[in-house]
Amino acid sequence: NAGVTQTPKFQVLKTGQSMTLQCAQDMNHNSMYWYRQDPGMGLRLIYYSASEGTTDKGEVPNGYNVSRLNKREFSLRLESAAPSQTSVYFCASSELGGRVFSNQPQHFGDGTRLSIL
Amino acid sequence: RKEVEQDPGPFNVPEGATVAFNCTYSNSASQSFFWYRQDCRKEPKLLMSVYSSGNEDGRFTAQLNRASQYISLLIRDSKLSDSATYLCVVKGVNLGADGLTFGKGTHLIIQP
Repeated sequence: NAGVTQTPKFQVLKTGQSMTLQCAQDMNHNSMYWYRQDPGMGLRLIYYSASEGTTDKGEVPNGYNVSRLNKREFSLRLESAAPSQTSVYFCASSELGGRVFSNQPQHFGDGTRLSIL
Repeated sequence: RKEVEQDPGPFNVPEGATVAFNCTYSNSASQSFFWYRQDCRKEPKLLMSVYSSGNEDGRFTAQLNRASQYISLLIRDSKLSDSATYLCVVKGVNLGADGLTFGKGTHLIIQP
């Protein structure tokens, strides 16, 4: 009963390198999200995918791209990593998203700790 | 005014005591409210949703005051295992689809 699985759990990059953070959920959820969490800042939404085939920008999308590969998988890509992107990245999913009223909670993966040198 | 505000604490509380903390939100159109719990270096986990009439789950009670735009969390008979950061989460009309906005969290330390 995995829930939301993120890989890798830890990564160190050099400035300018690229990498993709992977996320998969096995709960048949429609909506998936990527957040970053920095000390003193709380969680901030980077991108989300309300349903398979759609993606939208969140609060802090600059420097990132996403791909909703299928219903299960939602990846986050850093094309040219910068030290300001050092953070803990969380992927989340929820059963029902979209522009409708919903109090469906989000379920989180256990995070990717990314350091950019 | 920040969208979701919480007292960062830390709240240092003896085991067995009752503790309460509030969260205020700025968007009066906010629709759904949650409390999440986050342990150190772990992912946030849903503690409870907050309903208009207030709701209780064991030792935890959540209240919503729409007129004053705040939600509260009360923990009775606190346990050492309650030590964590409690995140107030509000769903409004921002950020498109789900519009979840997270507070920065209130750090709670239960002392033996």
